[in-house]
Amino acid sequence: QVQLQESGPGLVKPSETLSLTCTVSGYSITTYYWSWIRQPPGKGLEWIGYIYYSGSTYYNPSLKSRVTISVDTSKNQFSLKLTSVTAADTAVYYCARIYSERWLPYFFDFWGQGTLVTVPS
Amino acid sequence: QSALTQPASVSGSPGQSIAISCTGTGSDVGSYNLVSWYQQHPGKAPKVIIYEVNKRPSGVSDRFSGSKSGNTASLTIAGLQAEDEADYYCCSCADSNTLVFGGGTKLTVL
Repeated sequence: QVQLQESGPGLVKPSETLSLTCTVSGYSITTYYWSWIRQPPGKGLEWIGYIYYSGSTYYNPSLKSRVTISVDTSKNQFSLKLTSVTAADTAVYYCARIYSERWLPYFFDFWGQGTLVTVPS
Repeated sequence: QSALTQPASVSGSPGQSIAISCTGTGSDVGSYNLVSWYQQHPGKAPKVIIYEVNKRPSGVSDRFSGSKSGNTASLTIAGLQAEDEADYYCCSCADSNTLVFGGGTKLTVL
C-alpha cells in the first residue's frame, strides 16, 4: 500500500522559506507524478505543483515564481520550497501521488495526512 | 488559471439524489476527459471518488456517478446517506499539463 508522510516546520516566519518533505513508502517514486496541494483553514484545495522522478516539474502559474519542487530518489522523497511566505500561505499542505498515463496527470490517488504550516501575520 | 466554479453548498434529504456542477473552460474541463472528484470529511485528507469523468475507484459506492457536457462536469450522488455529508471538490487537467481544482461544495444531508 502506498503511504505518504509530510514533514517539516509547523511555523515559518514571514518573508522566510517554507520547506516540506514527503516521504513515500510502499511504492517507488520513479513511477507516476508526485504533487503538493494546500488548503488554507476553512477554504478549498489549491494545486501547487508536481514532479516526475527525472526532475521535470509543473507548477501552478499563480505560485510558480516562488515554488520549487525537487526529488530525491535515493530516499524515495520529494520536497517543496516556497519562498517569501506571508500569512496567506498558512495552510494544510498535502503531498499526493498523481496517477498518470501518456504523460498526462489523471488524478490524485494517494494522499498524505497533511501538515499545518502557519505563517504569523 | 482560474479555479473551476462549483456551488458553495447543496443539500438533500436521506434517500434523495443531488448533483454538484463544476464549470471550467475550453482550456481545462472542455478539453480533457480528466475530471476527477474528491470527497473530504472534516480534518481528513481528500479521497478520490470519481476519475476520468465517470470512473469509480474500487471500493467507492455506485451511488456516486460523474458526467460531463462541454465545459461543465457533474457529480451525482444517489440515495443520499448521512455519511455523504462532506466537502466535494472537482479537479481537471488543464493546458500545459497543469491541474486546477474547483472551489469546493459543502454537502449537507438534512
